[in-house]
Amino acid sequence: EAGVVQSPRYKIIEKKQPVAFWCNPISGHNTLYWYLQNLGQGPELLIRYENEEAVDDSQLPKDRFSAERLKGVDSTLKIQPAELGDSAVYLCASSLDSLTGELFFGEGSRLTVL
Amino acid sequence: GESVGLHLPTLSVQEGDNSIINCAYSNSASDYFIWYKQESGKGPQFIIDIRSNMDKRQGQRVTVLLNKTVKHLSLQIAATQPGDSAVYFCAEINQGGSEKLVFGKGTKLTVNP
Repeated sequence: EAGVVQSPRYKIIEKKQPVAFWCNPISGHNTLYWYLQNLGQGPELLIRYENEEAVDDSQLPKDRFSAERLKGVDSTLKIQPAELGDSAVYLCASSLDSLTGELFFGEGSRLTVL
Repeated sequence: GESVGLHLPTLSVQEGDNSIINCAYSNSASDYFIWYKQESGKGPQFIIDIRSNMDKRQGQRVTVLLNKTVKHLSLQIAATQPGDSAVYFCAEINQGGSEKLVFGKGTKLTVNP
């Protein structure tokens, strides 16, 4: 069975440009997460979806970040405009439900903002 | 606030030895704890979990110990192998509260042949 798929794996953009990341979770997983991971740090939650509903977006910088999970399957995370400090790895994860701590992570999308 | 930290940023062991990775958490309301392994260039991978009504849980070559009195969590890896080299994160959830999975900063384990 395929795991969580993310694209692109790497993205280099100049500041003020937009960028979008895509995530395809494991089939049947209702809960989807976007995490941000800075170098040497643990992942930090940006947003959590239960099906198509965003149930926790308290850490998402809504002035420049947006996310959607149409039809409760794939999800996209967008940054517009990107800032230098947004350089990080953006991890998508999915789980059967929100009661489990067993999240399945994708390999991440590494963003470099110049 | 909710936070999870690690005592040591790096740990180096010889192949075949046992490894112990420690974690201190600060949120006494946390009731569910998980260990993740992250290899270079990959996303974190679930290793083992433990709920607050337990103090020990064993998996394949791994054991997690929970001491709620001092808010301490440890991961023991038996007969450490080169493939165990990775960064290990503990994480906590307050399932009766925010339900948010909070990761610590990680410990980098290096296994020397």
